[in-house]
Amino acid sequence: GAGVSQSPRYKVAKRGQDVALRCDPISGHVSLFWYQQALGQGPEFLTYFQNEAQLDKSGLPSDRFFAERPEGSVSTLKIQRTQQEDSAVYLCASSLRDRGYGYTFGSGTRLTVV
Amino acid sequence: GENVEQHPSTLSVQEGDSAVIKCTYSDSASNYFPWYKQELGKRPQLIIDIRSNVGEKKDQRIAVTLNKTAKHFSLHITETQPEDSAVYFCAASNPGANNLFFGTGTRLTVIP
Repeated sequence: GAGVSQSPRYKVAKRGQDVALRCDPISGHVSLFWYQQALGQGPEFLTYFQNEAQLDKSGLPSDRFFAERPEGSVSTLKIQRTQQEDSAVYLCASSLRDRGYGYTFGSGTRLTVV
Repeated sequence: GENVEQHPSTLSVQEGDSAVIKCTYSDSASNYFPWYKQELGKRPQLIIDIRSNVGEKKDQRIAVTLNKTAKHFSLHITETQPEDSAVYFCAASNPGANNLFFGTGTRLTVIP
C-alpha cells in the first residue's frame, strides 16, 4: 500500500482481556517500530524490528506486552490481561533504512481499557 | 538515555505572525533531529529534519536551527496560516539508539 496501515483503528477492551494490534508497513521497509502515545504526550518507544528480527524491546513496559513480525512484513503487538494504564494510542512506523531515520507513521490504534 | 524537553506546551499566534518552538536534549551524541506535525486524530507527519553537521535548514515557511554546543534546536514557522494549527513534536536520535526520543509536544493554534 501507499502508507503504513494499522488495524483496528479503535479498540475497547475490558480489563483483563487480551488484545492484538496489527501493523502493515510500507512494502520493502526494513525497519518497523512500535510506539505508545498517551493522551497529551509524545510517542514513547516500545520495540524495533529489522526485518523479522526483534532487535530492541527495551521499551515494552511489562511482560504482558509482546510483539512479533514473523515474515519481516506485517507485525502484531499483543497485550495480555489489559489494564487501564494500557489505554493509549499505539503507533506503528516503518522506515526503508535502519534506525530512526525517515519514519512513516501509521494512523495508530486507540486502545481504551474499561 | 536521551531526554528531550519541549517548550512551550501551548502557543497561540495571530495568522501571519511567526511561531517558534524550542527543544533541548541531553545526550551530546544525538545527531538527528526531526520535527513532526500531528493533527487531531491523525498520524504524526515529518515536516523537517536536521542532522548535526548542519546549523540551519529551511523549507519554504519552515526552518529548523540547531545549536550543538547548547544542545538545543528550534522550529520556526513564518507567515502562519490556520492550517498550521496542530501539535508539533520534536525528537532526537543518536547512533547508539534504535529509536527516536520525542518531546512532549506543543499545541499551536493560529487565530484567523
